[in-house]
Amino acid sequence: DSGVTQTPKHLITATGQRVTLRCSPRSGDLSVYWYQQSLDQGLQFLIQYYNGEERAKGNILERFSAQQFPDLHSELNLSSLELGDSALYFCASSVTETSGILGQANEQFFGPGTRLTVL
Amino acid sequence: DQQVKQNSPSLSVQEGRISILNCDYTNSMFDYFLWYKKYPAEGPTFLISISSIKDKNEDGRFTVFLNKSAKHLSLHIVPSQPGDSAVYFCAAKETSGSRLTFGEGTQLTVNP
Repeated sequence: DSGVTQTPKHLITATGQRVTLRCSPRSGDLSVYWYQQSLDQGLQFLIQYYNGEERAKGNILERFSAQQFPDLHSELNLSSLELGDSALYFCASSVTETSGILGQANEQFFGPGTRLTVL
Repeated sequence: DQQVKQNSPSLSVQEGRISILNCDYTNSMFDYFLWYKKYPAEGPTFLISISSIKDKNEDGRFTVFLNKSAKHLSLHIVPSQPGDSAVYFCAAKETSGSRLTFGEGTQLTVNP
């Protein structure tokens, strides 16, 4: 158990709909990351928040948005869903937002993921 | 543009033998590398990491080697155990950021 929780575990919805995925980071972690894993692909970075502020953006679609709340939990909102959005969505957390090459706190700890199926 | 590549989608080894998983990268700005293990229906679990100032890091049965000139790293598991059967992801981080760039993963199967 990494200490990162994600809800729901599974989500089935229809094209055009909007869903919200939720993530609670490990206790004490200030940074939250969202990744998408499509079929037979590696994890693709979507977005990062640190202590409530957006820090970095990857290849996140405009239909997707996220936020981090004062209690540090984060939500990923996916709208106008398409079939191609079906994927595993992982949240990860780390203590800091970035670290040097000496390695301190570089590790990110992942939640169990939310499997989104768009029909 | 795949900056981190794991060219072997799968690897099968016998219990007790060595497993060697390989990873290549193209981005010279990567300075920290991590390996994650993933079981079905679970999130990736951090396994071992290495900084670019080192060429080897060891943790029990797991050793990661980094060859910066070749932009290549490898994960050695010895001895391999059936419980090591999982998908292994290589990941890399740039000096200036926190995001991880992942490879496509290698499915390791350790046969009893």
